[in-house]
Amino acid sequence: DQQVKQNSPSLSVQEGRISILNCDYTNSMFDYFLWYKKYPAEGPTFLISISSIKDKNEDGRFTVFLNKSAKHLSLHIVPSQPGDSAVYFCAVNAGNNRKLIWGLGTSLAVNP
Amino acid sequence: NAGVTQTPKFRVLKTGQSMTLLCAQDMNHEYMYWYRQDPGMGLRLIHYSVGEGTTAKGEVPDGYNVSRLKKQNFLLGLESAAPSQTSVYFCASSHQRAVTDTQYFGPGTRLTVL
Repeated sequence: DQQVKQNSPSLSVQEGRISILNCDYTNSMFDYFLWYKKYPAEGPTFLISISSIKDKNEDGRFTVFLNKSAKHLSLHIVPSQPGDSAVYFCAVNAGNNRKLIWGLGTSLAVNP
Repeated sequence: NAGVTQTPKFRVLKTGQSMTLLCAQDMNHEYMYWYRQDPGMGLRLIHYSVGEGTTAKGEVPDGYNVSRLKKQNFLLGLESAAPSQTSVYFCASSHQRAVTDTQYFGPGTRLTVL
């Protein structure tokens, strides 16, 4: 069973509007959460992260929110730009061995 | 810095053939990883290494072997390729001294096994 779930395989947003990507996880012991972005024919690149001791982390146009009671995190992109069109992966850094557990990704399309 | 590089970028194999994928990083990272990405499956960890001379199994290690003879290189071997190993393979590296250390990925190798 998946420990990290991204229930929306795709999302389409108009340029300038907000993009909200969601991620749910199953284990309340997970302590660090990351978002990666992936363009076609490239490897994933780190975007933003959040520790379980925080509920929000902001970096420019990107903000990640963590709701520990709901075991839910979300990535907000404001304003969305066509260059943001990519697949976004939610990942959890779990346990002492630091292995990442990945969601299946959400493909974001930002339309001009 | 080149970051993480992977060789080759593309490869087509016949069932039963063998090959080695090479990953190199120039960031002096201790940890290195091999993932595969399949449609609808996300990224799955094949093997990883926490330092030179060490390797460990990930989620889907069967059919693969790895070696980390030098700190900067991590090799993934397929001894007898099968069609089920058709996938995109990503290598990654990180310091992993703290939970906040992130993984840096190579561009991927697209492997097709006929």
